[in-house]
Amino acid sequence: GDSVTQMEGPVTLSEEAFLTINCTYTATGYPSLFWYVQYPGEGLQLLLKATKADDKGSNKGFEATYRKETTSFHLEKGSVQVSDSAVYFCALRVNTGFQKLVFGTGTRLLVSP
Amino acid sequence: NAGVTQTPKFQVLKTGQSMTLQCAQDMNHNSMYWYRQDPGMGLRLIYYSASEGTTDKGEVPNGYNVSRLNKREFSLRLESAAPSQTSVYFCASSVQREDPTGELFFGEGSRLTVL
Repeated sequence: GDSVTQMEGPVTLSEEAFLTINCTYTATGYPSLFWYVQYPGEGLQLLLKATKADDKGSNKGFEATYRKETTSFHLEKGSVQVSDSAVYFCALRVNTGFQKLVFGTGTRLLVSP
Repeated sequence: NAGVTQTPKFQVLKTGQSMTLQCAQDMNHNSMYWYRQDPGMGLRLIYYSASEGTTDKGEVPNGYNVSRLNKREFSLRLESAAPSQTSVYFCASSVQREDPTGELFFGEGSRLTVL
């Protein structure tokens, strides 16, 4: 079945460090890919998305490129801030039938000053 | 703008008790969802409602029932709570079943503990 695999956390970084959170997927067909972010005490919110191969999603300094050949959608940011501390979820939606998202297990990011 | 509102935010139950989690959205969305979030498991879909008047099972529906009361409201009921249902529950909504953006809007969550 369709699934998403994320690197385990927590990822601990100092402010202004470079961030990569790995995400790979398994899906039938051609999925759309998403990163959602969950700040402490809140629900998830969409961070960025890509709907076809080679698309790059970007938002708030975060980027991820849809790599069909490696079935990956790694999240990157050049310089993290303390306010980026959150849990990040990679997700996919298969573009057939009803829109259901399949989520990865989440990766907690901790950024220290 | 309230978005997706869930109640209650916290609840403690004893095994065998019943309860209903309420969810309402004010964005005129067609589709609504209930997820549970457990450590190391990510979010798993319990039930969803593609549109008013329809409900369907998700990945982990056992022990739950749902009601799409109207377009705004989608409730989740635990008839006989079990410790395995201790979790954080999230309600979400989206514009329409074929929305290509795939964006779901989430509530703040309801933390349920079953003793």
